[in-house]
Amino acid sequence: ETGVTQSPTHLIKTRGQQVTLRCSSQSGHNTVSWYQQALGQGPQFIFQYYREEENGRGNFPPRFSGLQFPNYSSELNVNALELDDSALYLCASRILAGGVETQYFGPGTRLLVL
Amino acid sequence: AQRVTQPEKLLSVFKGAPVELKCNYSYSGSPELFWYVQYSRQRLQLLLRHISRESIKGFTADLNKGETSFHLKKPFAQEEDSAMYYCALLRSGGYNKLIFGAGTRLAVHP
Repeated sequence: ETGVTQSPTHLIKTRGQQVTLRCSSQSGHNTVSWYQQALGQGPQFIFQYYREEENGRGNFPPRFSGLQFPNYSSELNVNALELDDSALYLCASRILAGGVETQYFGPGTRLLVL
Repeated sequence: AQRVTQPEKLLSVFKGAPVELKCNYSYSGSPELFWYVQYSRQRLQLLLRHISRESIKGFTADLNKGETSFHLKKPFAQEEDSAMYYCALLRSGGYNKLIFGAGTRLAVHP
């Protein structure tokens, strides 16, 4: 196990609602990335946080936002949910050791928007 | 454009047969490539990376810059190799992000 946990494991929301997904990574992993994995697709990069600030974003609208906290936990918030937001959401914590980067993924949160 | 292509959605083989999972990439810089695997009911995990030139669980992958490919190979497939395999490219510069292919499901039959 990588020590990266996510909650909840799955949830159901309706269109227009808001959702908060949570991720907890290991101590010292100060970079966290969030990915969206739609059914039958590979993960798509949403954004990355480093030392509590967003420092990179993929092709996702502003209603996808995040937070990172000093205790190495983070949140993904999605406002005004749409049906296409139904997906598996993955967080990944990143460490750099000896010039080699490794990303460790959590088990994911499966979101269904009705 | 930076892109990773896995042309096969499903690869079905018998136990003991050779396996090659194809991956092609498009990237203007010097690529750093990975293979991730997801077994049933488990999280996505790193299988191998090209810079390590390692063999993990009998799998190897060689970066071919001329053909922009990073195919995953194993000479003799085992039933426990059945899983989803994702090829990924690390886009670096400013911030790092992984660009994934759509994945290939490997099914190894007894």
